[in-house]
Amino acid sequence: GAVVSQHPSRVICKSGTSVKIECRSLDFQATTMFWYRQFPKQSLMLMATSNEGSKATYEQGVEKDKFLINHASLTLSTLTVTSAHPEDSSFYICSARDISAGQGSFGRNQPQHFGDGTRLSIL
Amino acid sequence: AQSVTQLGSHVSVSEGALVLLRCNYSSSVPPYLFWYVQYPNQGLQLLLKYTSAATLVKGINGFEAEFKKSETSFHLTKPSAHMSDAAEYFCAVSVNYGGSQGNLIFGKGTKLSVKP
Repeated sequence: GAVVSQHPSRVICKSGTSVKIECRSLDFQATTMFWYRQFPKQSLMLMATSNEGSKATYEQGVEKDKFLINHASLTLSTLTVTSAHPEDSSFYICSARDISAGQGSFGRNQPQHFGDGTRLSIL
Repeated sequence: AQSVTQLGSHVSVSEGALVLLRCNYSSSVPPYLFWYVQYPNQGLQLLLKYTSAATLVKGINGFEAEFKKSETSFHLTKPSAHMSDAAEYFCAVSVNYGGSQGNLIFGKGTKLSVKP
């Protein structure tokens, strides 16, 4: 159980292109999903927190107009990298937390389930 | 503020030897701590979690970790390494204050190599 599907797994495209990455929880619902970015041989850095039915919360230094997040349903969040440039090349990973964990303090700190990531390469 | 520090970016052990991956945390509130494993070009898989219950936590694949408040540590161990354990391991703390939504702060990761 608790499977998160992330698609596509790999994208290679030209500079200036917009790229959409989907994150789906397959067997559970998630009011909150997270988007992380991982540079080669480095750790994961949170980009934004995606909330179903409301605006995403972006971390400091992350351009919200550059990285558009939409959480349209309880099982789908999308990240669109607009007008991508070579410096946007990275490994993007989403995660989701099961809604059944609850929204209180205990629930918010339950494990997140991760997708397999998207390798984005901008030429 | 909360943070985790992983000592050693690369650990190499022989197959069958003890695995010890170190993680120290900093937190002004009781922490929720996790260990995740990442295989190349894949996402993260949860190994185990500490959520203020038992201090010795058993996870999948024979891994376990002990929460030591006095040492602010949450080291990951496995008695006998297998070749399949070779991967990147991340220690993480859940942000648990203010209006946080429980996002994770990760350590820099430790790459585990297992020699035959």
